[in-house]
Amino acid sequence: NAGVTQTPKFQVLKTGQSMTLQCAQDMNHEYMSWYRQDPGMGLRLIHYSVGAGITDQGEVPNGYNVSRSTTEDFPLRLLSAAPSQTSVYFCASRGRGSGQETQYFGPGTRLLVL
Amino acid sequence: AQKITQTQPGMFVQEKEAVTLDCTYDTSDQSYGLFWYKQPSSGEMIFLIYQGSYDEQNATEGRYSLNFQKARKSANLVISASQLGDSAMYFCAMREPPEGNTPLVFGKGTRLSVIA
Repeated sequence: NAGVTQTPKFQVLKTGQSMTLQCAQDMNHEYMSWYRQDPGMGLRLIHYSVGAGITDQGEVPNGYNVSRSTTEDFPLRLLSAAPSQTSVYFCASRGRGSGQETQYFGPGTRLLVL
Repeated sequence: AQKITQTQPGMFVQEKEAVTLDCTYDTSDQSYGLFWYKQPSSGEMIFLIYQGSYDEQNATEGRYSLNFQKARKSANLVISASQLGDSAMYFCAMREPPEGNTPLVFGKGTRLSVIA
């Protein structure tokens, strides 16, 4: 199993550009989440999904869209990039039910918005 | 209000010594799960240990143990026999209930530096 994969690893955008951060998992996990990590702030939840076709907002959703058309994929879209979106983005997944409490993270995408 | 509080922004420990990283949490639920993750300088998030609120014994995983004090709402991570490779950021996190469909909520982390 590859686990949780994220692409790209690094990205530089100009203000106003759009892009999609890709996230995929091969563990048949129902739950997937996107976090951003900024210095001194820990990890803050952007959006999450409890299954294909179901998404919900987290703590900091503004400026981001998500969709979950398949169990495996959970892309994060930046609609019009802003310097405040410079951050490290983590995707995570876990299974459903007792014994599936642990959340597994992808390697992260480092985004710089100029 | 902060659900997870990590009061130590940075800690130093001598190699081979034990160290305790503090974590307090806020919840009115009876069922919840507490997690610790390690983030080395390479950036990945590594799961270390999990404690369920109904678990009667403190969780242990190798050199990691979780000192769970429910009445005090604390879930401190204890690392025994510190190694240079333990230098990293450590995050405490919680989910209510542990197997539920809500995502993890994280504290702001503690940076641990192990000194030779």
